[in-house]
Amino acid sequence: QQPVQSPQAVILREGEDAVINCSSSKALYSVHWYRQKHGEAPIFLMILLKGGEQKGHDKISASFNEKKQQSSLYLTASQLSYSGTYFCGTGFNAGGTSYGKLTFGQGTILTVHP
Amino acid sequence: GAGVSQSPRYKVAKRGQDVALRCDPISGHVSLFWYQQALGQGPEFLTYFQNEAQLDKSGLPSDRFFAERPEGSVSTLKIQRTQQEDSAVYLCASSLGKGAQNTGELFFGEGSRLTVL
Repeated sequence: QQPVQSPQAVILREGEDAVINCSSSKALYSVHWYRQKHGEAPIFLMILLKGGEQKGHDKISASFNEKKQQSSLYLTASQLSYSGTYFCGTGFNAGGTSYGKLTFGQGTILTVHP
Repeated sequence: GAGVSQSPRYKVAKRGQDVALRCDPISGHVSLFWYQQALGQGPEFLTYFQNEAQLDKSGLPSDRFFAERPEGSVSTLKIQRTQQEDSAVYLCASSLGKGAQNTGELFFGEGSRLTVL
């Protein structure tokens, strides 16, 4: 079952913050976040494996609430380079062989203006 | 190059033609995945290889779709008798596979955009 992302689109000015949510109706083992610019390959941002764990690098971080079966991606002090479509991918298999078999959400389009 | 390479980048086929899409993964990556991405949607899983073994093909939409990775490196996705609904971007991704070095990161190629007329 495809995870649901919200919002579908968000427009920001440089320096503003944004939160993108990802919810699943199934129990999750892992949540993966990717960013894709138009016509380019999706780029890995981070993976979260445990409930409540928060990860981050630079000004992008994420949390994973295993109980609520949802994850949130936090972008602080956004930069022009953050523009793109953000996808969450959910993994349901605890075995290593299915690590890359993900069910992606429909995406959230983020636009950052100067 | 250092990344995942896919060819052709763009392919236009007439309905009923067969097409073959190639993926050159990152050297040493054990796992290889094919995803299909329709316009405005997230990627959808098609199939997974570990080395030359196709371990999961549950996402292939019909028996017109066939994938192989005979020597555990380059992979080809073949679509026979193409239909208009096959029009999409086909993404290939590779990863290190099992083991402590595997962070779970998928390295995607830029994709092959297939248009069926």
